[in-house]
Amino acid sequence: GDSVTQMEGPVTLSEEACLTINCTYTATGYPSLFWYVQYPGEGLQLLLKATKADDKGSNKGFEATYRKETTSFHLEKGSVQVSDSAVYFCAPSRSASKIIFGSGTRLSIRP
Amino acid sequence: NAGVTQTPKFRVLKTGQSMTLLCAQDMNHEYMYWYRQDPGMGLRLIHYSVGEGTTAKGEVPDGYNVSRLKKQNFLLGLESAAPSQTSVYFCASSYTTGGYQPQHFGDGTRLSIL
Repeated sequence: GDSVTQMEGPVTLSEEACLTINCTYTATGYPSLFWYVQYPGEGLQLLLKATKADDKGSNKGFEATYRKETTSFHLEKGSVQVSDSAVYFCAPSRSASKIIFGSGTRLSIRP
Repeated sequence: NAGVTQTPKFRVLKTGQSMTLLCAQDMNHEYMYWYRQDPGMGLRLIHYSVGEGTTAKGEVPDGYNVSRLKKQNFLLGLESAAPSQTSVYFCASSYTTGGYQPQHFGDGTRLSIL
């Protein structure tokens, strides 16, 4: 069946450091790929998405590229801020009822 | 801009008690979902609905029932609560069956079963 593996946390970085959170998946066909973010006490919010190979999703300075050959969708940001502290979920989706959420990566940014 | 609203936000139950979690969305979405979130396990789908009057089982449906009598509402019921159902429950909604459609989440219900 479909599955997703993402980098275990917690990840702690200093402000302005570079961030990469790895995500790889196994799925039948070519799913759409999402990154969701969960701030403390809130539900998940869509951060970015890519729907086909080589697409790059971007939002709030975060980027991720759909790599079909390596079945990966790594999340990157060049300079993190304290406000980026949250839990990040990678989620491949083949349909609205077949979206698989990763276990989440907790990110903490030190001032 | 309400989006997806869940009530209650917190609840403590005793083993064997019953309760209903309410979810309402104002985006005219067809699909609605109930998930549970447990530490280190991401989100797991309990039940979902593809439209008014329909429901379907997800990954972990045992011990839960759902109803979708109105398009905007999706109810999750626990008939006889067990400690294993202690979790944070999230409701979500989306437009249609397309895999490219993102889901919109409520802020969650934190449920503790003693």
